[in-house]
Amino acid sequence: QSALNQPASVSGSPGQSVTIACTGTNSDIGTFNLVSWYQHLPGKAPELMIYDVRTRPLKFNRFSGSKSGNTASLTISGLQPEDEGHYYCSSASNGDTPIVFGGGSKLTVL
Amino acid sequence: QVQLVQSAAEVKRPGASVKVSCQASGYVFATYGINWVRQASGHGLEWMGWVKPSNGKTDYSQRFQDRVTLTTDTSTETAYFEMRDLTSDDTAIYYCVRGYQIVELPSGRRYYGMDVWGQGTTVTVS
Repeated sequence: QSALNQPASVSGSPGQSVTIACTGTNSDIGTFNLVSWYQHLPGKAPELMIYDVRTRPLKFNRFSGSKSGNTASLTISGLQPEDEGHYYCSSASNGDTPIVFGGGSKLTVL
Repeated sequence: QVQLVQSAAEVKRPGASVKVSCQASGYVFATYGINWVRQASGHGLEWMGWVKPSNGKTDYSQRFQDRVTLTTDTSTETAYFEMRDLTSDDTAIYYCVRGYQIVELPSGRRYYGMDVWGQGTTVTVS
């Protein structure tokens, strides 16, 4: 089990928007604006998409991050088939480990 | 472009050790830390430790600090991960990840922002 909770799977149709939630505690997401999101596409290395809650490289302009309380969210706009893959959140933490991850969410584009 | 290329998959017996390499290119190796993260089957990602190539300074997850050693070779721009006393629970994909950011936390620990990932090395213990 992972420190941060994500839905195991999410799906959407091309062109739609989907949101992936990442729920932590007041020891991690609730305290720190150090939330990152990683995209892991089949056959490729994971890639940093969002850092510091909402900052993104230009390549990921259809992706946006936000945070409210102990929950961070990743929203993907204008879904494309090539977005299919796994998405992981991470956060700084005051717990035993300074960096914690979610279990990952598999995105399926219908 | 910035790239981390890891060594090939390994199969080990319980009780053995494994050493994984991670060769960097496309940036000044000494100026960024290297993190190691693993993903065991059915589990999420787990941060294991960090090493600073310029001086060899390390920071380990408490869970692994007794069994893991992180080193670097700046002459070949390569980072190494070594784990001892392997069990079947250590069967996982091991990733090296460049650390671009260091933040001091109130707990006294450090947060390492991670950006570029290696392709992963599968270690099977059986």
